[in-house]
Amino acid sequence: AQSVTQLDSQVPVFEEAPVELRCNYSSSVSVYLFWYVQYPNQGLQLLLKYLSGSTLVKGINGFEAEFNKSQTSFHLRKPSVHISDTAEYFCAVSDRDTGRRALTFGSGTRLQVQP
Amino acid sequence: EAGVVQSPRYKIIEKKQPVAFWCNPISGHNTLYWYLQNLGQGPELLIRYENEEAVDDSQLPKDRFSAERLKGVDSTLKIQPAELGDSAVYLCASSRGVTGPGGADTQYFGPGTRLTVL
Repeated sequence: AQSVTQLDSQVPVFEEAPVELRCNYSSSVSVYLFWYVQYPNQGLQLLLKYLSGSTLVKGINGFEAEFNKSQTSFHLRKPSVHISDTAEYFCAVSDRDTGRRALTFGSGTRLQVQP
Repeated sequence: EAGVVQSPRYKIIEKKQPVAFWCNPISGHNTLYWYLQNLGQGPELLIRYENEEAVDDSQLPKDRFSAERLKGVDSTLKIQPAELGDSAVYLCASSRGVTGPGGADTQYFGPGTRLTVL
């Protein structure tokens, strides 16, 4: 069984400030890790994913995330946010070993960028 | 390349009525997923298809929900009869379908169908 916890349901931040969105997971098997973004009335779009190798992963729109196995975390960061980054962000995991390809999502973090 | 197409985008029905959602995945994608997204929550898998075969439907409430993917391309998800608690966004996603174990495939999501049951 897997679960994903996104510790903050909402994160308000001013434009050009840095931001970190937190994600912790629990799993009995090895996992792949993903961050998706959902803009209003749109589907989810992949920001980045960790499969293997370097624990620091760079994604689109200037976002990056770091996999920390010991803390079972995969926090998302951006050094300077824009108004256009206002959206819902979802952390997700999938099984590495069992072949079950479905994603298990967290409940999401709403990033609100203020001018 | 066209993305995942879903229709309708919005649907309002009375409880106990039937409803159907349609999804056309990205061309060449063998794997198709239906997810349910309740308000304020992340998506949850309902069913996954590998080509025409439903390989993971453990979360699909089979008493009222059904799905099909004829010819391994587009798919339809049906609810009959709908209940108030079915009000949610129904998301379709597709992926290429990698060989071997694991979920490394990137899933591409459609815009969803927002269902309101009155």
